[in-house]
Amino acid sequence: SQTIHQWPATLVQPVGSPLSLECTVEGTSNPNLYWYRQAAGRGLQLLFYSVGIGQISSEVPQNLSASRPQDRQFILSSKKLLLSDSGFYLCAWGTIFSGNTIYFGEGSWLTVV
Amino acid sequence: AQKVTQAQTEISVVEKEDVTLDCVYETRDTTYYLFWYKQPPSGELVFLIRRNSFDEQNEISGRYSWNFQKSTSSFNFTITASQVVDSAVYFCALSGRYGGATNKLIFGTGTLLAVQP
Repeated sequence: SQTIHQWPATLVQPVGSPLSLECTVEGTSNPNLYWYRQAAGRGLQLLFYSVGIGQISSEVPQNLSASRPQDRQFILSSKKLLLSDSGFYLCAWGTIFSGNTIYFGEGSWLTVV
Repeated sequence: AQKVTQAQTEISVVEKEDVTLDCVYETRDTTYYLFWYKQPPSGELVFLIRRNSFDEQNEISGRYSWNFQKSTSSFNFTITASQVVDSAVYFCALSGRYGGATNKLIFGTGTLLAVQP
């Protein structure tokens, strides 16, 4: 069966520091991968998605970037964090065989101080 | 443009009450998918159900049921005999067209359901 893991689960970072959140999927090949952010107020915002290695699409301009160095690995990064980057970050995967359904990881809580 | 509206921000019920969570969507696609996800306090989003636009049959799964009505662009979710473990934020979501290229989901703002013992 397919599983998705992301880490770290929580982190507190100072303003201006770098960020790296990692997500890996197991049990499937060539998945679509996504990064969502959930800020206070609960709304889920799609940040990036990827349909293949090295292919990244950004949904909103921001201080973050994403990379997909391997088929089942998706990384969210920042060179210099802002206070507004605080939130709950969720990685997700889906395939053409999942009927448009996407499945989420456990999430990472980021607090920028 | 696609949009999902969950007008109920918070709902509080007493255990064993039935509760309906509303979802209204907007899309110009003729083929689309609708979803419900549950987010318990732990934070992970749990997939509950997917419906495609050609299937208007209502679905029941245990205490959960879903009512899809294209005429009113609604996809409502009912929990029968609610339990404390149902307390969570529930999200309705919409995905355009068929699977494949992107599977991007547009989410509503969620409804916080609090079930009191």
